[in-house]
Amino acid sequence: QKEVEQNSGPLSVPEGAIASLNCTYSDRGSQSFFWYRQYSGKSPELIMSIYSNGDKEDGRFTAQLNKASQYVSLLIRDSQPSDSATYLCAVFTGGGNKLTFGTGTQLKVEL
Amino acid sequence: DARVTQTPRHKVTEMGQEVTMRCQPILGHNTVFWYRQTMMQGLELLAYFRNRAPLDDSGMPKDRFSAEMPDATLATLKIQPSEPRDSAVYFCASGPGVNSYEQYFGPGTRLTVT
Repeated sequence: QKEVEQNSGPLSVPEGAIASLNCTYSDRGSQSFFWYRQYSGKSPELIMSIYSNGDKEDGRFTAQLNKASQYVSLLIRDSQPSDSATYLCAVFTGGGNKLTFGTGTQLKVEL
Repeated sequence: DARVTQTPRHKVTEMGQEVTMRCQPILGHNTVFWYRQTMMQGLELLAYFRNRAPLDDSGMPKDRFSAEMPDATLATLKIQPSEPRDSAVYFCASGPGVNSYEQYFGPGTRLTVT
């Protein structure tokens, strides 16, 4: 079983819609959770971090964490074509400073 | 504008040659990570350092790869000898380390071994 799992996609949403990206993790002791955005040919860019159960909002982005169910999600409201990218979920499970990354979900926002 | 920098951005070399990639972490960050990304394997952690000390290099092929941090402003990843299967994008990332697990990535080195 992979430690951090994401649906590879592609997830296609129309412009202006809400995009919902999901991530599940296997280690119940995981403490910190991050979302990275990676445009094609570019490096991963940190866009959200979440540490406590519930929602955390930053502009059009909302991260949601449910530790009991071991999932973390990223909602993108009013999706724009510029949001088209691969979104990587990363989890800190303790032990050093390592993050475990999922394989990413490709998002396509269509006009 | 604090950023991780990496050189070179692109490298094409022949099999058997030595390749050296360099990274300058964000000033003040005390953790440095080397990753490799391919379409097939995704993002793989090769090695990482905290306060310049290597903490984990279990992701690295030991016989040909080596990672060092000669000082706080420079991390290096060497491949000797290089092989075609080493073709990938190599990313360096740095993080504050203390009570924070965020990582900030550099632009990457795209390596092609022919």
